[in-house]
Amino acid sequence: GNSVTQMEGPVTLSEEAFLTINCTYTATGYPSLFWYVQYPGEGLQLLLKATKADDKGSNKGFEATYRKETTSFHLEKGSVQVSDSAVYFCALISNTGFQKLVFGTGTRLLVSP
Amino acid sequence: DVKVTQSSRYLVKRTGEKVFLECVQDMDHENMFWYRQDPGLGLRLIYFSYDVKMKEKGDIPEGYSVSREKKERFSLILESASTNQTSMYLCASSLGQGGGKLFFGSGTQLSVL
Repeated sequence: GNSVTQMEGPVTLSEEAFLTINCTYTATGYPSLFWYVQYPGEGLQLLLKATKADDKGSNKGFEATYRKETTSFHLEKGSVQVSDSAVYFCALISNTGFQKLVFGTGTRLLVSP
Repeated sequence: DVKVTQSSRYLVKRTGEKVFLECVQDMDHENMFWYRQDPGLGLRLIYFSYDVKMKEKGDIPEGYSVSREKKERFSLILESASTNQTSMYLCASSLGQGGGKLFFGSGTQLSVL
């Protein structure tokens, strides 16, 4: 079945450091890929998405590229801020049948001043 | 903005009690979902609904049931609460062909003692 694997956290960085959170997936066919973010005390919200191979999703300075050859969708940001501290979830959705999201286990990011 | 409202932020119940978690969305979305979120396990789908009075089991439906009598409301029912159902419960909604863009409530932290 479909699955998503994320790097374990927490990831601890200083402000303005470069961020990478790794995500790989297993899926049949050609899924769409997502990053969701959960700020403290809130529900998840969509951060970015990519729907086909080599697409790059971007939002709020975050980027991720859909790499079919390595089945990866790593999240990157060039310069993190304290306000980026949150839990980040990688997810995929199959493009056949009813569209149910499959989530990774989440990676907590802690950014210190 | 889409608003998904969960009736309680924190809930404490005793083993064996019947528990109702309520979720209301205000954007006429066809699909609604219940997830539970546990540390190290990420989000796991309990039940979902793609239309009024329709329901489908997710990955972990045991011990739960759901009700969707109106389009905007999706209730999760724990028939006889157990301690292993202590968790954060997240409700979400999406358009019929939302392509993986879910809108989440802020969650209900349920403790079963």
